[in-house]
Amino acid sequence: GAGVSQTPSNKVTEKGKYVELRCDPISGHTALYWYRQSLGQGPEFLIYFQGTGAADDSGLPNDRFFAVRPEGSVSTLKIQRTERGDSAVYLCASSLKGTTISGANVLTFGAGSRLTVL
Amino acid sequence: QKEVEQNSGPLSVPEGAIASLNCTYSDRGSQSFFWYRQYSGKSPELIMSIYSNGDKEDGRFTAQLNKASQYVSLLIRDSQPSDSATYLCAVRSTGFQKLVFGTGTRLLVSP
Repeated sequence: GAGVSQTPSNKVTEKGKYVELRCDPISGHTALYWYRQSLGQGPEFLIYFQGTGAADDSGLPNDRFFAVRPEGSVSTLKIQRTERGDSAVYLCASSLKGTTISGANVLTFGAGSRLTVL
Repeated sequence: QKEVEQNSGPLSVPEGAIASLNCTYSDRGSQSFFWYRQYSGKSPELIMSIYSNGDKEDGRFTAQLNKASQYVSLLIRDSQPSDSATYLCAVRSTGFQKLVFGTGTRLLVSP
C-alpha cells in the first residue's frame, strides 16, 4: 500500500480481555516495528521484525504481549489479559532496509491504534 | 539517566523567529540521529536525519550533530504557526535497528 495501515484506529476493551492490533506495512518494506506511545511521552520500542522473524523483542514489557508476522508482511500485536496500564497509542512503522546512506533506515509510521482499557 | 533526553517545553517563539530544539543522548555508540515532528493526535513524521558531525540543512530546517558532546539540535528558521507541534529526537545505536526516542519538545509558534 501507499502508507502504513493500522487497524483498528480505536479499540476500547475491558480489563482482562484479549486484544489484537494489526499493521499492514508499506509494500516491499522488509523491516517492521511496533512502538507504544503514552500521553506526553515519546514512542517506546516494543519489537522489531526483519522479514518473518522477530529480530529484537527486547521492548515487550511482559509475556502478555506477543507479536507475529507470519508471511513477512502484515503483523499482529497481541495483548492478553489487558490491564488499564496498557492503554496507549500503539504505533507501527516500516522501513525498506538499506535505502539510506550510512546504513540507516528511515521509519515511516502508521496512524496508530488507540487502545483504551476500562 | 534516560537514553535520549529532551526538554518537554513548551518552547514558545514568535512567528518569524528561530526555534532551537535540543537533544542529548547517553550511548556513545550511537550512529544515526533523527528528528520527527508529531502534530497532536497524529503519528510522527520524519523531518531530518543526520549521521556525521556538523550541520545539515534542508529548507528552513538545520540539524546539528556533535558526537563528542553527545548532542543533537534542530533549528527552525522563520518559524510559522504551522510548525507548532511536538518534535521528537530519535537515536539509533550501532548494531541495533530500533530507534530510541526522547519524550519530545512541544513547540508553540505564535502569530
